[in-house]
Amino acid sequence: AQSVTQLDSQVPVFEEAPVELRCNYSSSVSVYLFWYVQYPNQGLQLLLKYLSGSTLVKGINGFEAEFNKSQTSFHLRKPSVHISDTAEYFCAVSSNDYKLSFGAGTTVTVRA
Amino acid sequence: NAGVMQNPRHLVRRRGQEARLRCSPMKGHSHVYWYRQLPEEGLKFMVYLQKENIIDESGMPKERFSAEFPKEGPSILRIQQVVRGDSAAYFCASSPQTGLNTGELFFGEGSRLTVL
Repeated sequence: AQSVTQLDSQVPVFEEAPVELRCNYSSSVSVYLFWYVQYPNQGLQLLLKYLSGSTLVKGINGFEAEFNKSQTSFHLRKPSVHISDTAEYFCAVSSNDYKLSFGAGTTVTVRA
Repeated sequence: NAGVMQNPRHLVRRRGQEARLRCSPMKGHSHVYWYRQLPEEGLKFMVYLQKENIIDESGMPKERFSAEFPKEGPSILRIQQVVRGDSAAYFCASSPQTGLNTGELFFGEGSRLTVL
């Protein structure tokens, strides 16, 4: 079984500042890793995913994440945020092909 | 190019009533998944269905919950005799084929159930 811990439940950040959202997972097998974003009153949208290969993964909207196997982490970063990045962000892990385990989410609030 | 469509978006039920949540997958997708998001928690897998088949229902509560994906029409998540603890957001996702290594799950906007 896998589990995901998102270390920060709330992250306030000023516009154009960088942001990092932390995600740690536990699993006894190889995993696939994902970050999803949920804008207010909308469904989840995939930001990026790690399946294999390069540990630095680039996603949509300028986000990137780095897979660190030794630290079992998959932190999400963006060098400069916009007001429109205000949303809830979910880290997820899967070891098979359809069952995702999600973290509790991190709410990012971007202020002008 | 419609995405995953869920309805109703919001549903209010009194304890003991039935709730039915519907999900139409994206065009061309034959795999449907239901996830539940309790307050302050992440999404939890409930069930995976293909047309007329339940593939994995390991996340479904043993009683009162059922799901189907008929040959024609949307997938239905049915909750009988609802209790307050069923209040949550229920998300449906679809994919064109099994395998997250082929891409991603496409999620709907969710159905938010409130049990009074």
